[in-house]
Amino acid sequence: AQTIHQWPVAEIKAVGSPLSLGCTIKGKSSPNLYWYWQATGGTLQQLFYSITVGQVESVVQLNLSASRPKDDQFILSTEKLLLSHSGFYLCAWRQGEGSDYTFGSGTRLLVI
Amino acid sequence: SQLAEENPWALSVHEGESVTVNCSYKTSITALQWYRQKSGEGPAQLILIRSNEREKRNGRLRATLDTSSQSSSLSITATRCEDTAVYFCATDADTGYQNFYFGKGTSLTVIP
Repeated sequence: AQTIHQWPVAEIKAVGSPLSLGCTIKGKSSPNLYWYWQATGGTLQQLFYSITVGQVESVVQLNLSASRPKDDQFILSTEKLLLSHSGFYLCAWRQGEGSDYTFGSGTRLLVI
Repeated sequence: SQLAEENPWALSVHEGESVTVNCSYKTSITALQWYRQKSGEGPAQLILIRSNEREKRNGRLRATLDTSSQSSSLSITATRCEDTAVYFCATDADTGYQNFYFGKGTSLTVIP
């Protein structure tokens, strides 16, 4: 069975500090991977997606970057956090077009 | 711009009652999905209904799709307290399945 694991569960970071969030998928080869961001009480905004190792497409510009160093790993990062980066970050995978998404349990980030 | 939108924004029902959440979308789609997100968790898929389907059931859940009016509904019968959550509809646009759009969600509260 496929599992998706996100880390850390929660972070409190200072404005201007760096950030790295991780996501690992187990039990599925070559998954399509996604990062989503959700403001408190808001909708889910797709940030990045990756179809294959080393390739990442940006959907919105939020002063964040993403990388896919391994087939089963997706990293979200920034060198300088902004207050507006606070929120809930979700990693997801799907098989392909028309299939459902499976989301991780998310990372809650508070920037102060 | 929002490509999928649920209504109402929020509603509450008493346990055991039935409830319906509606969704309107703006693009041609290959499929529409309904998700449920409980507080502090990632979304979980409830139903995927393809563009050539008109109705789909999953236990107490029933989804309908009307591509002519670009609308969908999700009905829950015999509601339970654990159905309390935010319900999202989300669409695969037929112009590019990598971009997956969620609505803002309907917050459902089931009162014991």
